Amino acid sequence: QVLLVQSGAEVKKPGASVKVSCKASGYTFSGYYMHWVRQAPGQGLEWMGWINPNSGGTNYAQKFQDRVSMTRDTSISTAYMELSRLRSDDTAVYYCARSASGYGGAYSFDYWGQGTLVTVSS
Amino acid sequence: DIQMTQSPSSLSASVGDRVTITCRASQGISNYLAWYQQKPGKIPKLLIYGASTLQSGVPSRFSGSGSGTDFTLTISSLQPEDVATYYCQKYNSAPLTFGGGTKVEIK
Repeated sequence: QVLLVQSGAEVKKPGASVKVSCKASGYTFSGYYMHWVRQAPGQGLEWMGWINPNSGGTNYAQKFQDRVSMTRDTSISTAYMELSRLRSDDTAVYYCARSASGYGGAYSFDYWGQGTLVTVSS
Repeated sequence: DIQMTQSPSSLSASVGDRVTITCRASQGISNYLAWYQQKPGKIPKLLIYGASTLQSGVPSRFSGSGSGTDFTLTISSLQPEDVATYYCQKYNSAPLTFGGGTKVEIK
């Protein structure tokens, strides 16, 4: 079965960086784009961007363009999302989610990781 | 960028009621629209994609319709386990924007 298992909760100070991992299993990792979505406490879902695990190509939401980096390690079927220059309003649960089709990133998301809480506090 | 607007932001209905949630795109997105259900404290779950195609395993009381700019999610007979927040998402092209969510409660 498809599983996306994310790294554990993080506490960071303002200005620091955080790197969240998402280990995939149960399918061909390089065959499906991976997305990152975040959810601030009590708020809605916010798409951050995607990575093509095959090529490493990325597409970031403009809001995060200068602070986010999405990478992958195909040898261990793991995607990463690094967010830099953290602010208190980056406090959120960060999810990885798989594209529902192997044809690209512009699809719905059929599997989600369990979420990683990132808390930014001085 | 295309904006996605859901209404209402919350609703309260009785068990067995028919519930309808609307989602409006600021520009046409054909049928590239998905609906997700997020129960309290849980991860989002894909309910519908392609505006009207039910994801495998989703109960048939859920249905979706619409094309272009106006879409609806309908629960034909609300059940206690349907208490959740529902989100629409457009995915015709990046950015893959979500609507603000509709919280559904039992009266």
